[in-house]
Amino acid sequence: AQTVTQSQPEMSVQEAETVTLSCTYDTSESDYYLFWYKQPPSRQMILVIRQEAYKQQNATENRFSVNFQKAAKSFSLKISDSQLGDAAMYFCACRYNNNDMRFGAGTRLTVKP
Amino acid sequence: KAGVTQTPRYLIKTRGQQVTLSCSPISGHRSVSWYQQTPGQGLQFLFEYFSETQRNKGNFPGRFSGRQFSNSRSEMNVSTLELGDSALYLCASSLHGVREETQYFGPGTRLLVL
Repeated sequence: AQTVTQSQPEMSVQEAETVTLSCTYDTSESDYYLFWYKQPPSRQMILVIRQEAYKQQNATENRFSVNFQKAAKSFSLKISDSQLGDAAMYFCACRYNNNDMRFGAGTRLTVKP
Repeated sequence: KAGVTQTPRYLIKTRGQQVTLSCSPISGHRSVSWYQQTPGQGLQFLFEYFSETQRNKGNFPGRFSGRQFSNSRSEMNVSTLELGDSALYLCASSLHGVREETQYFGPGTRLLVL
C-alpha cells in the first residue's frame, strides 16, 4: 500500500528556534516525488518544498530544508529561525508513478513568541 | 496571474440533494485535481482532469463525478448527498499534471450536509 505517515499531530516551537517535522512513506517504486505543503488557518495550501526521489541532494528553500533518507523512506522538514507566520498545518505528500498523490494526516505547528 | 479560484466558498445542503462545485485553474494550466479534506480522513484524492479527460481517479463512490471544459475550468458533482460528504473540497491546478510539477491549490469550497 502507498501510504504517507506523519507521526506528530502537533508540534510547538519557540520563535527563532529550529523545528523538525517527521514524515515517512511506503512505496515499492524507485521514482517518485515528495512534497511539503503548508496550510495556514483559513488560507490556501501552498508548496513549501519538494524533493525528487532520484536526487540524493537534500532540497533547500531559504529557511526550509529536508532530510531525505530514501532507504529509510523518510522525508523530514526542518524549519530554521521559526517565525510567527510559519504557524500552520504542514502536510507531507508523495506523488507516485500513476500520478496518484497521497498526503499524510498533517502536523499542526504552533510558533510561540 | 490570478490564482486558482473556487466557487462557491461555502455551501449548505441537505441529505439526498446534489451539488456542483466549480474550479477555475491558473491561466494556462491544463490539469485540475480535486481533493476532499476532512478531519477524520485527511486529504484524499478524488480525480484529475487533463484536456477535458479524466486521467486518474481516487477511491470514491460513483456519486462523485467531475468534468473539465475546453477552457480547463472544472466542475465536480456530488449526487445524493450524505452527511459524511461534509468536507472542504480543494482543487489544484498544474501546467501538465506531471508528477514533478507543483500543484497550486484553491481556497476550497466548504460543504456542510445537514
